[in-house]
Amino acid sequence: DGGITQSPKYLFRKEGQNVTLSCEQNLNHDAMYWYRQDPGQGLRLIYYSQIVNDFQKGDIAEGYSVSREKKESFPLTVTSAQKNPTAFYLCASSITPPDTQYFGPGTRLTVL
Amino acid sequence: GQQLNQSPQSMFIQEGEDVSMNCTSSSIFNTWLWYKQDPGEGPVLLIALYKAGELTSNGRLTAQFGITRKDSFLNISASIPSDVGIYFCAGPYNQGGKLIFGQGTELSVKP
Repeated sequence: DGGITQSPKYLFRKEGQNVTLSCEQNLNHDAMYWYRQDPGQGLRLIYYSQIVNDFQKGDIAEGYSVSREKKESFPLTVTSAQKNPTAFYLCASSITPPDTQYFGPGTRLTVL
Repeated sequence: GQQLNQSPQSMFIQEGEDVSMNCTSSSIFNTWLWYKQDPGEGPVLLIALYKAGELTSNGRLTAQFGITRKDSFLNISASIPSDVGIYFCAGPYNQGGKLIFGQGTELSVKP
């Protein structure tokens, strides 16, 4: 079954803690993306990677970090420097950027 | 910079009614994408448009790539309760391998 998986679906963390969100794809896509979605709002790009071992900042990268050591994986770390980390986080991938992007099911992060 | 303006922001309709929403840009786009997001889930691609004037259907959904390449329309015929969700338009930035998304149209369908 090909697709994008994100885990966990729901994540709770205490303020001041770093947390890493997982994103894996078995679609053999080159490019991967992380978006943040707040209630009633659209998607805002955090980071994206067009190839292994390379990534670029999106529109709201401050307080986040990523790595792309494998084609299949693009984990996102929400650091304690991110002032409002509670949000819905979406991972996506595409064959050749900026081609059609396919999304994972999302992770809802709540920082208490 | 490039922006996508999507309207309306929200719609409340009766089951069985037809729905129309649109997306406009100040810049030319070479691709228009329409996604649907169910509550608490990731967006799912509905229709992709690659050519000005193109009209494409997917079941009860029909989307059109505007002839000026600065707009796109999505129509849903005979709406049903499972059409509820947020519909997003999207298109590629001029460069950099990114997509730009509209703010979304939230659709509510009353049985």
